[in-house]
Amino acid sequence: NAGVMQNPRHLVRRRGQEARLRCSPMKGHSHVYWYRQLPEEGLKFMVYLQKENIIDESGMPKERFSAEFPKEGPSILRIQQVVRGDSAAYFCASSLTNSGANVLTFGAGSRLTVL
Amino acid sequence: RKEVEQDPGPFNVPEGATVAFNCTYSNSASQSFFWYRQDCRKEPKLLMSVYSSGNEDGRFTAQLNRASQYISLLIRDSKLSDSATYLCVVNMGMDTGRRALTFGSGTRLQVQP
Repeated sequence: NAGVMQNPRHLVRRRGQEARLRCSPMKGHSHVYWYRQLPEEGLKFMVYLQKENIIDESGMPKERFSAEFPKEGPSILRIQQVVRGDSAAYFCASSLTNSGANVLTFGAGSRLTVL
Repeated sequence: RKEVEQDPGPFNVPEGATVAFNCTYSNSASQSFFWYRQDCRKEPKLLMSVYSSGNEDGRFTAQLNRASQYISLLIRDSKLSDSATYLCVVNMGMDTGRRALTFGSGTRLQVQP
């Protein structure tokens, strides 16, 4: 059981470039969540997806950020025209269901640095 | 008011000490509660769920007070390896429209030899 796999682990981009972060959930999990953690701060919810559907994107910035979870392949968090303020750790988590007692399993995170 | 609020600490305690953290949450309809642990530059990992009746796992005890909307975590006989940030996590409930767990900013614990 490989757990939640995220890549790349580290990504450096210059301002204005695009960043793509990938997340493969645990085997058998169909619910994926993305969280962002700014330096010295807590985790902030961004988006919750199931296969081919965005269920809750209430934490996503309205511009430049998008997420998908296609029928085949990993979930992708895409940040267009990155700015320095996007530098953060982006954690993906997955769960088996979305019951009220849900437990999330996190990946090791992708650390984005914008120069 | 933050949805989930924690004292950021740090709590500096000697080995063997007992330490307690509290966390308050804003939505009285919140349904489920957890404590996660996060080591420096690592991903959060589930420490324990918090049940209405309170629950214990070895040196760790979690309690829930719905009337006052707070959760507590008690660590007895602290070890150096307990040094980490402890995250209070809440399922805010469907009436908020939030379908995912909400994390507090964490309380940092440093256990010293």
